[in-house]
Amino acid sequence: EVQLVESGGVVVQAGGSLRLSCAASGFSFDDYTMYWVRQAPGRGLEWVSLISWDGGSTNYADSVKGRLTVSRDNSKNSLYLQMNSLRTEDTALYYCAKGERELVTHMDAWGKGTTVTVSS
Amino acid sequence: SYELTQPPSLSVSPGQTANIPCSGDKLGDKFACWYQQKPGQSPVLVIYQDNERPSGIPERFSGSNSGNTATLTISGTQAMDEADYYCQAWDSSSVTVIFGGGTKLTVL
Repeated sequence: EVQLVESGGVVVQAGGSLRLSCAASGFSFDDYTMYWVRQAPGRGLEWVSLISWDGGSTNYADSVKGRLTVSRDNSKNSLYLQMNSLRTEDTALYYCAKGERELVTHMDAWGKGTTVTVSS
Repeated sequence: SYELTQPPSLSVSPGQTANIPCSGDKLGDKFACWYQQKPGQSPVLVIYQDNERPSGIPERFSGSNSGNTATLTISGTQAMDEADYYCQAWDSSSVTVIFGGGTKLTVL
């Protein structure tokens, strides 16, 4: 069974930093593109970032480009999101999601999410 | 930037067919997929590659995509189908993912 477990969400002040983690199990982690998707309270889904199976390709939504960095450690079956220069508008539930081997596709498994709250 | 547009809400009577549209410029030239999200839960993929159902998704869920509109169809809608539904597509050239704004489906 595919499992994705996010962690690292906290309350942080604007301008601060934090790192989210996603522990994956139940599939060959190093075969798949992985995604971060966020959902602000009462709002819709917003794609944040993606990383290819080997970490060689990454991309970001314009709203986070230059402030957030995605990475992965295939030896640890883990996905990360380094979040710097945080803004109040980054407050959201952050989901880790599994894609396919191709760089951009659908997401067929999601974690339960971890909550990031950025205070002013 | 590319945008996907969905109606904010839709109502359907139990047993009837719900058609949830998602529009975008030449969306039919891309693959579309759909997620169901119930309150307090994570999204679940219900349709991918326009009209494919993942294992475990009931046959009453189907999809189509042509021209500028992708449509999620729920036949014989049940109370348990009440949820938010999001369409998603991607742009392979810019390597970006796009979500629609979501449609709240009410079954009453």
